[in-house]
Amino acid sequence: DSGVTQTPKHLITATGQRVTLRCSPRSGDLSVYWYQQSLDQGLQFLIQYYNGEERAKGNILERFSAQQFPDLHSELNLSSLELGDSALYFCASSPGTGGSEQYFGPGTRLTVT
Amino acid sequence: GENVEQHPSTLSVQEGDSAVIKCTYSDSASNYFPWYKQELGKRPQLIIDIRSNVGEKKDQRIAVTLNKTAKHFSLHITETQPEDSAVYFCAASGTYKYIFGTGTRLKVLA
Repeated sequence: DSGVTQTPKHLITATGQRVTLRCSPRSGDLSVYWYQQSLDQGLQFLIQYYNGEERAKGNILERFSAQQFPDLHSELNLSSLELGDSALYFCASSPGTGGSEQYFGPGTRLTVT
Repeated sequence: GENVEQHPSTLSVQEGDSAVIKCTYSDSASNYFPWYKQELGKRPQLIIDIRSNVGEKKDQRIAVTLNKTAKHFSLHITETQPEDSAVYFCAASGTYKYIFGTGTRLKVLA
């Protein structure tokens, strides 16, 4: 167990809908990262927050947004869902902004039908 | 833009043999290089990492080497076992981002 928690574990929804994925980082970690992993694909970096502020952005679609709250948990919002958004979404946390160990949560498997 | 190239994409070895996975990064500001192991449907797990001020690091059957001049780093697994079968990802990190390689599917044949 990495200490990073994600909810829900599984999510099935229809095209056009909106969902929210939640992540709680390890105790003491200030950075949260979101990744998307499609079937048999690599890890696509979406976005990073550090202590409530956005610090880096990757290949995140405009339909996706995220935020980090004062208690450091983070939410990833996915809207106008398409079939191609079906994937495993991982959250990871680290103590600092970069250059240090990053620990992954168990992931949320999103299925869009 | 920044990227990390990882080779090979698939690797099959006989149990007991060694496996080597290589990565090349582009961002000169990268100073931290972790390796992750991911089993099917599970989270990536950190197995070893190396920082830019070190050329080699070893942990039992796993070792990582770094050549900063050439921007290359490699994962070496010796005496492979069936439970080493998984997908391995390298990554390079600088100030903020972690850039991951595309992964290597390692299959250890018994």
